[in-house]
Amino acid sequence: AQSVTQLDSQVPVFEEAPVELRCNYSSSVSVYLFWYVQYPNQGLQLLLKYLSGSTLVKSINGFEAEFNKSQTSFHLRKPSVHISDTAEYFCAVSRSGSARQLTFGSGTQLTVLP
Amino acid sequence: GAVVSQHPSRVICKSGTSVKIECRSLDFQATTMFWYRQFPKQSLMLMATSNEGSKATYEQGVEKDKFLINHASLTLSTLTVTSAHPEDSSFYICSARDPVRRGADNEQFFGPGTRLTVL
Repeated sequence: AQSVTQLDSQVPVFEEAPVELRCNYSSSVSVYLFWYVQYPNQGLQLLLKYLSGSTLVKSINGFEAEFNKSQTSFHLRKPSVHISDTAEYFCAVSRSGSARQLTFGSGTQLTVLP
Repeated sequence: GAVVSQHPSRVICKSGTSVKIECRSLDFQATTMFWYRQFPKQSLMLMATSNEGSKATYEQGVEKDKFLINHASLTLSTLTVTSAHPEDSSFYICSARDPVRRGADNEQFFGPGTRLTVL
């Protein structure tokens, strides 16, 4: 079984400042890793994913995450946030080779302040 | 591509009534769909995995007779909350896999969710 820990439930940050949302996972097998974003009263949107290959993955809106196998982490970063980045962010893991079952972290509410 | 819709987006019902929520894959065929439940300010909890043409697989602690799942076609899965009570009030989200979509067979596409309020 897999588990995901998001240590920070809430992260307030000022506009244009950098941000890091932390995610650690536990698994006895190889995994795929995902970050999803959820805006109020909406479903989840995939932000980025790590399947294999380069450990640094990037999204089209400036977010990036690095898979660190030794530290079992997949932290999400953005060098300069915007007001529109305010949302709930979920880290998720699935067993490598299948997305049949996603295990989600508890989520991190990112609030960007003007 | 890979759009999943849910209907209704919001429903309010009286205690004791049944509510049906539809999940549709609009531009692909989904042999597997998933149903999640999300309480306020909490994460998504998988309720069940819906397989086209066969019985759904429920997670531990989820009542099969209360949350009826039907996956009658490759583009539609329904979740019926039977005899709903206030504690069933929640945000219900479905997702679907597109096994033939190149590069996305490992990905779940999520619907926009359904807000259920039971009075």
